[in-house]
Formats: sequence, structure tokens, C-alpha cells
Amino acid sequence: DVKVTQSSRYLVKRTGEKVFLECVQDMDHENMFWYRQDPGLGLRLIYFSYDVKMKEKGDIPEGYSVSREKKERFSLILESASTNQTSMYLCASSPGDSGANVLTFGAGSRLTVL
Amino acid sequence: GQNIDQPTEMTATEGAIVQINCTYQTSGFNGLFWYQQHAGEAPTFLSYNVLDGLEEKGRFSSFLSRSKGYSYLLLKELQMKDSASYLCAVLDSNYQLIWGAGTKLIIKP
Repeated sequence: DVKVTQSSRYLVKRTGEKVFLECVQDMDHENMFWYRQDPGLGLRLIYFSYDVKMKEKGDIPEGYSVSREKKERFSLILESASTNQTSMYLCASSPGDSGANVLTFGAGSRLTVL
Repeated sequence: GQNIDQPTEMTATEGAIVQINCTYQTSGFNGLFWYQQHAGEAPTFLSYNVLDGLEEKGRFSSFLSRSKGYSYLLLKELQMKDSASYLCAVLDSNYQLIWGAGTKLIIKP
């Protein structure tokens, strides 16, 4: 019963290419997040969204953009991929009520930029 | 700055008990989470502590001391399937999650 689905598990792209990472959740969650996970570092928040067509920058938004046209879908876009964006990208969602919400994560998209 | 510290790697024996520590320095505190992440898989929620004390959930327990900025995850009766990374995360005063780098737990037979 997969609840957060990331469209691609593994991608290999070239420097300068435009990259789309798609994430879909089926739990009717208001909140969606994009993180990157690198060895030796904690999860770092790229962008998040609390509602359709709404987006907020996280800690490391540079080089990324996002789109949330529908409640269930949150896309991460790398306009011009660079080698330092080689990483594991994790999408997550949580309910919209205030307070401490448990995140449900997707399995991740491992991106390699050559 | 905000900081979460946890050991990089730990090794334990099947059937034993292991304690994974997490210390934090954050701007405010609205709770602490533990997640488990098997290699190549999504992190999954284990526990949430917002008040001091021990929360027990089967073989797993989580402890919090807010005055010491300290938490631990206790795993009892270790099984091979407990081999995973364990992520500690603190919800700060702005309700943003600050993540530790994770502790890789290796279970040996």
C-alpha cells in the first residue's frame, strides 16, 4: 500500500539538463516537502508547500524550483542540473493540522549528474 | 546555529540491547522524532517525544530530557531486520524539522 510515490528511483542526467522529479501522495495531505539526503549530513529541506499553488523556500532552494498544481502532486525541478546536485531526493507529506505532524516519505529518487 | 548530534555508526549483536543517543541544540523545541531508514528505502516514523520521560512501543523505547537537550532510542531483543539507519529530528520554535545525520546500526549474528 504505497502512499507517497516518487516517479523515478534512479536517474542519470548530464550537466545543464532540465530535470523533473515527480511525487504523488494518496493520503489527501495538505503538506508536501522535498528534501535531499547526502552522506554524513542530515536531511536538508529544499522546498515545501502547505497548499495547492503555494510554495515556500526551505534551507537550500538555490538551483531548484517546485510546482504544486494539484493537492496530491508536488514536483521538483532542476532548471539546469549541475554535478553538485547529485544526491538522493526524498519527497514527504503530512496532514495539514497544526502541530507536530508525522512525515510519510517516498522511497527516494537517486539522481546522478554527469 | 542549530545542531543535532548522533553517532555515525554502531554495532550490536542479535538478541542484545542497544541505545542510540541524540543531543540537540535548537532555537526552541516542539518535539523530537525518531525515524528508521533501511538502505534504499523511505524513512519511516518510529516515535515522537515532546515531554520528558520514556515512551515505550514494543521492542523500541524513546527517552527525552529537555533540560539536557538529550534523547535516546532503545532497541531491545535486537533482530537482524533492525539493521538500518536511525534518524533523530527536532521540531524547532518555527515548527521546522532539524535533522541529525543518522546513526547506521549494524546487527551481527
